[in-house]
Amino acid sequence: DAGVTQSPTHLIKTRGQQVTLRCSPISGHKSVSWYQQVLGQGPQFIFQYYEKEERGRGNFPDRFSARQFPNYSSELNVNALLLGDSALYLCASSLGRGPDKDQPQHFGDGTRLSIL
Amino acid sequence: GQQLNQSPQSMFIQEGEDVSMNCTSSSIFNTWLWYKQDPGEGPVLLIALYKAGELTSNGRLTAQFGITRKDSFLNISASIPSDVGIYFCARVLNAGGTSYGKLTFGQGTILTVHP
Repeated sequence: DAGVTQSPTHLIKTRGQQVTLRCSPISGHKSVSWYQQVLGQGPQFIFQYYEKEERGRGNFPDRFSARQFPNYSSELNVNALLLGDSALYLCASSLGRGPDKDQPQHFGDGTRLSIL
Repeated sequence: GQQLNQSPQSMFIQEGEDVSMNCTSSSIFNTWLWYKQDPGEGPVLLIALYKAGELTSNGRLTAQFGITRKDSFLNISASIPSDVGIYFCARVLNAGGTSYGKLTFGQGTILTVHP
């Protein structure tokens, strides 16, 4: 079975530009979460979507937005890019319901975003 | 914020040695998760702990959920070169459903294993 897939794998942008990152969850998973991982740190929670609705938002500015589609795939958008937005952006999926043991997140390999 | 303090920050060990790392918090949590991240890849779940005092093994890995619900440790026995990577603890504030989509991670422990 395919795991969580993210595209693109790498991306280079300049300050002020906008970027869209894409994520396809594991088949059957309805919850998708986005994380930002700056070099040398653990992932930081940005958004969670479940059944196409936002279920949580981390401490990120309004330049960050996301959405989930009827097929449960998701996009993360970042506007007015800053140098500090350079990071690995991870997508994770889970069932979103049911027993605790079925819940832990499965991560994709991320999109490496570099801002020049 | 609800930060997790993970230690040590890095470890350099010889192949065959045992490894121990831990994670602490000032708050009580219902679930502890341990992940490993290899270079260029996303984190992979190693062990999930759901009850205070729970001790769970996965091959050479053993993790425990502290009785106070404020800490957890991960042990790796008889380390091998492929154990190299970054190990993260993570917590879920509330049990059940979509709560698992909002994880808080520790800063990570970088493990280097010398052959």
